[in-house]
Amino acid sequence: EADIYQTPRYLVIGTGKKITLECSQTMGHDKMYWYQQDPGMELHLIHYSYGVNSTEKGDLSSESTVSRIRTEHFPLTLESARPSHTSQYLCASSEPYGTGRLYEQYFGPGTRLTVT
Amino acid sequence: KNQVEQSPQSLIILEGKNCTLQCNYTVSPFSNLRWYKQDTGRGPVSLTIMTFSENTKSNGRYTATLDADTKQSSLHITASQLSDSASYICVVSDRGSTLGRLYFGRGTQLTVWP
Repeated sequence: EADIYQTPRYLVIGTGKKITLECSQTMGHDKMYWYQQDPGMELHLIHYSYGVNSTEKGDLSSESTVSRIRTEHFPLTLESARPSHTSQYLCASSEPYGTGRLYEQYFGPGTRLTVT
Repeated sequence: KNQVEQSPQSLIILEGKNCTLQCNYTVSPFSNLRWYKQDTGRGPVSLTIMTFSENTKSNGRYTATLDADTKQSSLHITASQLSDSASYICVVSDRGSTLGRLYFGRGTQLTVWP
């Protein structure tokens, strides 16, 4: 079982609200990722980080933002939630290059977001 | 375009039976191929990882095969159990960047009936 946590697990919120999805890991991994997944569809990378103070946008354009102030913490924020943001958000982290683990990614349990 | 295609999209089998899931990919340059199991409402959990030089890898009742020449992989589940009901996702990593970018298939939704 991977030591990566996400809160909340489920969130129902009204349009226009600001939300922050929390992700933390206790494995000391430098690389962290946020994915978005709709039912029956593949995971899409929306943000990633190589380490503290490093954040990059992923393949799928997203109105969300991320920050990486501490190694173990990688929160995702939506300033103004809309129904189109309804989705499952998965956080992951991976071991550094050179450990022989082929960038094994460990996923959190996900946050199911519903915007009404 | 780097893509990962899985078949079938969904599968129903009876408990105790075997099944095989398929994955075709066009990702290049290839680094490794992973199979993940994702229970409903949970994050994916890694089952196997195979590099270019490996053509089979087992993890308990799960056996993955890889043919890097034809760019195909399969996941064989032996003696299925009710707890095997989940989505099985094929993921291919390229070696074109230090990120080790992952390309995800849409998964095969497996349902095991008693």
